[in-house]
Parts: sequence; structure tokens; C-alpha cells
Amino acid sequence: DVKVTQSSRYLVKRTGEKVFLECVQDMDHENMFWYRQDPGLGLRLIYFSYDVKMKEKGDIPEGYSVSREKKERFSLILESASTNQTSMYLCASSLLLWDRDSTMSYTFGSGTRLTVV
Amino acid sequence: KQEVTQIPAALSVPEGENLVLNCSFTDSAIYNLQWFRQDPGKGLTSLLLIQSSQREQTSGRLNASLDKSSGRSTLYIAASQPGDSATYLCAVRGNDRGSTLGRLYFGRGTQLTVWP
Repeated sequence: DVKVTQSSRYLVKRTGEKVFLECVQDMDHENMFWYRQDPGLGLRLIYFSYDVKMKEKGDIPEGYSVSREKKERFSLILESASTNQTSMYLCASSLLLWDRDSTMSYTFGSGTRLTVV
Repeated sequence: KQEVTQIPAALSVPEGENLVLNCSFTDSAIYNLQWFRQDPGKGLTSLLLIQSSQREQTSGRLNASLDKSSGRSTLYIAASQPGDSATYLCAVRGNDRGSTLGRLYFGRGTQLTVWP
């Protein structure tokens, strides 16, 4: 089974800190995604990547950046954490998107609950 | 932009009932539709995936249908159990070329409680 591993289940950081959220997948998936999930707002896409060193903005990229130096690792960076970035962060991976007949499904990590104080 | 809506937002039923969760989407040009389960404070677990060319998929007590032309999907849960209590999320994979190709668009979920 493919696994997506997020390095931390819970994090507490101070306002203004630079925060790194790490995600690693072990099935050679090309695509990786970062979402945040908030009550009443559902899941919102922050950034995604379909290849090493490639990245695309999602719906809410402001205040975030990402790094994909290796295929298996996709990092989400909060340049200067703020209290409104307190949320559940979910990482996901999938196979390439280009194959119209792909039975690709997304696999999600267990999530990182980030609290910014 | 694709919009995904799930009805109802919450559902509470006694054990043993058969139930239906609904999902609708605004743009019928999709690759596939996926149903997920999320337990409190946890990540998402994939339940069923239906390709755009398919009408339904079954896994155990779960059956998902897809009517792409009308932009609707239903998740049918037979003989519900307390262990089915969770939030169920519907997501469609976009068929748009370009930088957003293949991204998932999520509904906000149906929170299901099955009581003994």
C-alpha cells in the first residue's frame, strides 16, 4: 500500500516563526498536494507539484511556499506564521494526471494539526 | 470553476438503517469521482473511485453511483453500523487541461453519526 507520511501530527509555533511541514510518499508518485482544512470551509488547495522542482499555486497560496527537491518529498513552508494559519494541513499524492484512462486515486497523509500562538 | 455540494451536511441514524449521501457538481467534464472517509482529527481514507465512463462501484456495504450528465453521485451505505460514524467527502477530478489538470475539487462533507 502506498503511504503518505507527514512528519508531525501536532505542532505549536509562535507568530512570526518560519515553519516547515514535511510530507514523504513511498510509491514513486509524480503528483503531490498540500491542502488545509478548516471547519465550515472544507479542504482548500494551497499548492501542488507534478514533478521535481515544479510547483503550481492552488486556491490559497498566500503566506505559503513549497519545495520539491526530490520526487518523494514535498515540503510546505510558512514564511512567517500567523494565527490565521492555525489549521489542519493535509498532504496527498497521486500518479500522473495525463493518462485519461488512469484509475488514479489520491492517497492522503494523516494530517498535521498546526496551532500558531 | 467546479463547485461540489454535499447534502445533507449532517445525518444521524440508528444502527441498521440503509442510507444515502448525495453529492452534486457543476461541471460534468470530469475524469473521475472519489468518495473519502475522514475520522475526527485524521486524514482521508479513499473508499471508492468511479471513472467518468462508469456508472457505479461497489465495495462491501458501500455502493457509489455516478450520473455525469446530471452532475450527481450518491453513496449508499447498507445496514449502517456505529463504526461507520465519520465524515464522508466527495471529490471530483477535473478534466481541464493546463496547470489545474487533475486536481480534486472537494465538497464540504456529510457528517454521519450512527447510534446503537
